[in-house]
Amino acid sequence: AQSVTQLDSQVPVFEEAPVELRCNYSSSVSVYLFWYVQYPNQGLQLLLKYLSGSTLVKGINGFEAEFNKSQTSFHLRKPSVHISDTAEYFCAVSTRGSARQLTFGSGTQLTVLP
Amino acid sequence: DSGVTQTPKHLITATGQRVTLRCSPRSGDLSVYWYQQSLDQGLQFLIQYYNGEERAKGNILERFSAQQFPDLHSELNLSSLELGDSALYFCASSVGLQETQYFGPGTRLLVL
Repeated sequence: AQSVTQLDSQVPVFEEAPVELRCNYSSSVSVYLFWYVQYPNQGLQLLLKYLSGSTLVKGINGFEAEFNKSQTSFHLRKPSVHISDTAEYFCAVSTRGSARQLTFGSGTQLTVLP
Repeated sequence: DSGVTQTPKHLITATGQRVTLRCSPRSGDLSVYWYQQSLDQGLQFLIQYYNGEERAKGNILERFSAQQFPDLHSELNLSSLELGDSALYFCASSVGLQETQYFGPGTRLLVL
């Protein structure tokens, strides 16, 4: 079975500052990795995904993440955040199998301060 | 807008009752997944259907059941509801078994 740990439950940051949201995973088999964002009272929107290939993945809204197999991490970064980035961010993994259900971390609430 | 629709958006009911949540996947998607988001358990996978057949089960209670119909829409049935079933229930869909999942807006269930 796989698991996901999001190390920070809340991350406050000032507008235009850089941010990193940390995600570590555990799995005995190869995984696919995802970051989803949930704005207040909305569903989950896919930010980016790592399936294979380049370990640096670029997503929507200026976010990027780097897959580090040796550290079993998939941290999310943005060089300059905006007020509109305030949301909850979820890291998720799925295993390479026939039924690819997602295992989610507990989420990180990013609050961008003016 | 992901293209996945869920109805109703909100549902308030009493303990012991039964409700049905509906999900329409994106056009062309054959896989439907159900997830539950609660404050104490976080986001948890419940069940997956692919082209009408159950493919995977997660932490789904025996009081809960689901099905996927020939037109590919899916329903999640929750019975003998308890206070602890209050949560946000998400449906997601993907083209096949290996692709990215796209989530609907969710159904917020409140059991009183």
